[in-house]
Amino acid sequence: AQKVTQAQTEISVVEKEDVTLDCVYETRDTTYYLFWYKQPPSGELVFLIRRNSFDEQNEISGRYSWNFQKSTSSFNFTITASQVVDSAVYFCALSEALNSGYSTLTFGKGTMLLVSP
Amino acid sequence: DAGVIQSPRHEVTEMGQEVTLRCKPISGHNSLFWYRQTMMRGLELLIYFNNNVPIDDSGMPEDRFSAKMPNASFSTLKIQPSEPRDSAVYFCASSLGAGSQETQYFGPGTRLLVL
Repeated sequence: AQKVTQAQTEISVVEKEDVTLDCVYETRDTTYYLFWYKQPPSGELVFLIRRNSFDEQNEISGRYSWNFQKSTSSFNFTITASQVVDSAVYFCALSEALNSGYSTLTFGKGTMLLVSP
Repeated sequence: DAGVIQSPRHEVTEMGQEVTLRCKPISGHNSLFWYRQTMMRGLELLIYFNNNVPIDDSGMPEDRFSAKMPNASFSTLKIQPSEPRDSAVYFCASSLGAGSQETQYFGPGTRLLVL
């Protein structure tokens, strides 16, 4: 069974602060994929990033960066110089292959980020 | 390019009524997923299709829920009869294929309220 834990239920920061959202996962597979999605107040789920289990290089996209540490089964997400528009619920998700050849996506409970001006 | 399209965006109905939610996946995507999101349970996978065939419906709560995918560009999720506990946001998502490497792209969701 796979499991994704986002221990931080809610985080509040002031604009321009850096913030890190934690994600810890459990899987018995050696091949798997990790994802982050953003859900702004408008409600849609927006894909942010996908990372495979063989690529431990950190990724940076503008103010967003992701740190994948296989040794600690973590895939943390950092927003640098946060902005009010970053306020949203962020979900970490794990996908692993099933014996059938198909796969399922397991989501964490999400972390609500509130950025105040 | 059009993303996943869902309709209606909002639905308010009375207990006992039939509710039909609709989804059009991204063109060319072969896999389609229905999720339900509630405060208590978070995001739950209800059912998914690959090449229009239901692969796993173990997440469907009970017999009142049914889903169909008559063709590659259309799927429905039906609740009959609806109950207040069905109130939730229902998301449809699609992906290019069924493998674990595939990214699922979500529609805007249907916010269902059953009175």
